Amino acid sequence: QSALTQEASVSGTIGQKVTLSCTGNNYNVGSYAVGWYQQISHGPPKTVMSGDSLPSGIPDRFSGSKSGTTASLTISGLQAEDEGDYYCSTWDYDSSAWVFGSGTKLTVL
Amino acid sequence: QVQLVQSGAEVEKPGASVHISCRASGYTLTDHYLYWVRQVRGQGLEWMAMINPAGGGDTKYARKFRGRITVTRDTSTSTVYMTLSSLRPDDTAVYYCARGFGEILFDYWGQGTLVAVSS
Repeated sequence: QSALTQEASVSGTIGQKVTLSCTGNNYNVGSYAVGWYQQISHGPPKTVMSGDSLPSGIPDRFSGSKSGTTASLTISGLQAEDEGDYYCSTWDYDSSAWVFGSGTKLTVL
Repeated sequence: QVQLVQSGAEVEKPGASVHISCRASGYTLTDHYLYWVRQVRGQGLEWMAMINPAGGGDTKYARKFRGRITVTRDTSTSTVYMTLSSLRPDDTAVYYCARGFGEILFDYWGQGTLVAVSS
């Protein structure tokens, strides 16, 4: 059972805006920056958001935000190549461990 | 450019140990933490270990792996090593190294190393 809760699946059409969420508590999401990692076709993860920083090379249709104990990754203008699995992660003070969400499967219809 | 290049796939028997390397290039190894994360087929990402390559090479291990995981670094070759011992079939997974971004996040990832544990 993951410390961070993510939707199992989210879908959207080309050009649509979709938002993925990552819910934790005050020991993790509520206190620390959250990273978002994209995994396509079981390849290695790729960082698409580091806190509120967009990594070099990541399109600016990706954005991140946080409110309380929920972090969100928004993709504005969904593209076919965005289809994949998305994981959130942060530090958990309570367990003294880095924790991941269970992942969201994003399908582009 | 930053690259993390991992060693190749391994097949091990239960009870054996596996050694995986992660060679960093494009940056100074001691400037960033380095993490190990694994993914069992069909499952999510699981954090295993962290090493601060600077100074004494302080490490932090996930409780689940303590006692059978060791992470070390060789700054002269910019390489980090992960050894997992007492392997079990459920250790069959792809193992990734990842560079730290600040003290909490990850930025660059290695290509992954498949470890298969089977008798």
